[in-house]
Amino acid sequence: GAVVSQHPSRVICKSGTSVKIECRSLDFQATTMFWYRQFPKQSLMLMATSNEGSKATYEQGVEKDKFLINHASLTLSTLTVTSAHPEDSSFYICSARVRTGPYNEQFFGPGTRLTVL
Amino acid sequence: KNEVEQSPQNLTAQEGEFITINCSYSVGISALHWLQQHPGGGIVSLFMLSSGKKKHGRLIATINIQEKHSSLHITASHPRDSAVYICAVKETSGSRLTFGEGTQLTVNP
Repeated sequence: GAVVSQHPSRVICKSGTSVKIECRSLDFQATTMFWYRQFPKQSLMLMATSNEGSKATYEQGVEKDKFLINHASLTLSTLTVTSAHPEDSSFYICSARVRTGPYNEQFFGPGTRLTVL
Repeated sequence: KNEVEQSPQNLTAQEGEFITINCSYSVGISALHWLQQHPGGGIVSLFMLSSGKKKHGRLIATINIQEKHSSLHITASHPRDSAVYICAVKETSGSRLTFGEGTQLTVNP
């Protein structure tokens, strides 16, 4: 399947700082990218959906000013956690959707573990 | 009630056993995904199904659209198969995936 990369894989930061997470589709152009967060022992929760060149659509309860998403190209989306606090500590996963024939397939990145001290 | 339910929640098997994980859903879907998440957290997409059956190595996935049910089978299980297996459906009415809560599989040597 197609490859989606995330960088960094792990980040530890101090409370109040901002952290940027990159998501790249390595060998395909993604029509849409998704950002999820996952708390321990829980399933993935969709945070936002982004299409290249347009504003992201955020899920209810997700603060768009806190979780800034930029989808500058068909292969790169970034999530910036602004003024991070310990409760933002989580596992963040991006996913990229690509059209393959009659179907839309979705591929997942390896995730970024954020720890805010 | 969740729109996507998996069973069992936890499964422990001995190496070599045949394993089945089930997924039931209550909405109309255009596709169903089976995902594997290892302890490090990374997610691998195993299958995307819209009908019938798919096979890849020791993994087999089936779906019955009328019964709104899918199964993931692992033949000749191995300790490296230990992971969380997640069922996710793409509803016909939307673009997002709805995830099950996952099945934690542990295969002992």
